[in-house]
Amino acid sequence: DGGITQSPKYLFRKEGQNVTLSCEQNLNHDAMYWYRQDPGQGLRLIYYSQIVNDFQKGDIAEGYSVSREKKESFPLTVTSAQKNPTAFYLCASSISPGSSYNSPLHFGNGTRLTVT
Amino acid sequence: GDSVTQMEGPVTLSEEAFLTINCTYTATGYPSLFWYVQYPGEGLQLLLKATKADDKGSNKGFEATYRKETTSFHLEKGSVQVSDSAVYFCALSDKSGTSYGKLTFGQGTILTVHP
Repeated sequence: DGGITQSPKYLFRKEGQNVTLSCEQNLNHDAMYWYRQDPGQGLRLIYYSQIVNDFQKGDIAEGYSVSREKKESFPLTVTSAQKNPTAFYLCASSISPGSSYNSPLHFGNGTRLTVT
Repeated sequence: GDSVTQMEGPVTLSEEAFLTINCTYTATGYPSLFWYVQYPGEGLQLLLKATKADDKGSNKGFEATYRKETTSFHLEKGSVQVSDSAVYFCALSDKSGTSYGKLTFGQGTILTVHP
């Protein structure tokens, strides 16, 4: 079955450490996205990528970095510069850039990151 | 910029009760509107969508009508079940400007249905 795989489901890190969250899709989608979910705040866009080797900052990119070396992979690194990294992180994809206007985003099941 | 406002939660209902979750939006262009649902421990799934004014999206007994005059997209269901307990997100995708192709989400409404 096609879908988006995020791993791990739970991740624990000490403050000051960088951590990388994995996101892999086998839907052959061009566009991929990272969202952060906090209670009562909905989803906020961190970074998105419309094609391989290209990505753009979303609304809350500070303290995060991404890469898009392969179409199916879009890892997110939470750096030590991110002031409040503890959150639920969701990866998503869409068929093509701009297709979310008519077509849904497909989401992974998320990674819950806890930094202490 | 674009924004989505949902009614405050959480919402607690008894099984077979009528559900309404209000959603209003602000957009610069002519957005598409969506409702997504998130079950515990999972990602979001598309519940329904509407791409132009007066369109009605429907799925699994849920309905929402795109009202341009009131900039609203309220979610309704005539008879909720325990299995409908989840978080519901209203979202928009604007076709114009810098928001092109991106989704803007509301804050989510937690629904709990008791037997």
